[in-house]
Amino acid sequence: EADIYQTPRYLVIGTGKKITLECSQTMGHDKMYWYQQDPGMELHLIHYSYGVNSTEKGDLSSESTVSRIRTEHFPLTLESARPSHTSQYLCASSEYYRDPTEAFFGQGTRLTVV
Amino acid sequence: AQTVTQSQPEMSVQEAETVTLSCTYDTSESDYYLFWYKQPPSRQMILVIRQEAYKQQNATENRFSVNFQKAAKSFSLKISDSQLGDAAMYFCAYRSAETSGSRLTFGEGTQLTVNP
Repeated sequence: EADIYQTPRYLVIGTGKKITLECSQTMGHDKMYWYQQDPGMELHLIHYSYGVNSTEKGDLSSESTVSRIRTEHFPLTLESARPSHTSQYLCASSEYYRDPTEAFFGQGTRLTVV
Repeated sequence: AQTVTQSQPEMSVQEAETVTLSCTYDTSESDYYLFWYKQPPSRQMILVIRQEAYKQQNATENRFSVNFQKAAKSFSLKISDSQLGDAAMYFCAYRSAETSGSRLTFGEGTQLTVNP
């Protein structure tokens, strides 16, 4: 069973609020990712990290920001939530480069901004 | 850039029967990995099966097998003896083996329903 955790699982929040979605993994993986997924839709990469102090924007533009101060922790922050941010956010981690091991996913955070 | 296409938004199968989910991809690379992920209603994505492009033999994991056609850039998933627990959204994914630190590119997903 994958050791990657996301909190909260569900969040309903008002417009303009600042929120942080937490993601932690205990597998020592260098690479971590944030995906955004609308219901019944494909996953879009919004942020990724290759290691501590490394963060990159993904394929889908996002107003969120991320940080990677510790290997095991990759939080995502929205400074001012808007209804357009309503979505499912999935965090994942994997080992580095050519190792073809799978990416392990958290259970996701379903965010609703009202 | 690589793209992954799943042309079947929804599929259904009777319990104990076989179903095949389609996936095609586009890439100019010769060395890569392909994956099928399953996302049950609980929403945690789990790996079903993976294929390394330089291996000609199709991957098999119990009731799950793939038909990997490298020249046609096709990577279908066959589920044999379907079970109710197989019901989920299935995603095909591509990962380059040539680019340092490459990440996964996902298809649109196929929602599989298993009828009792």
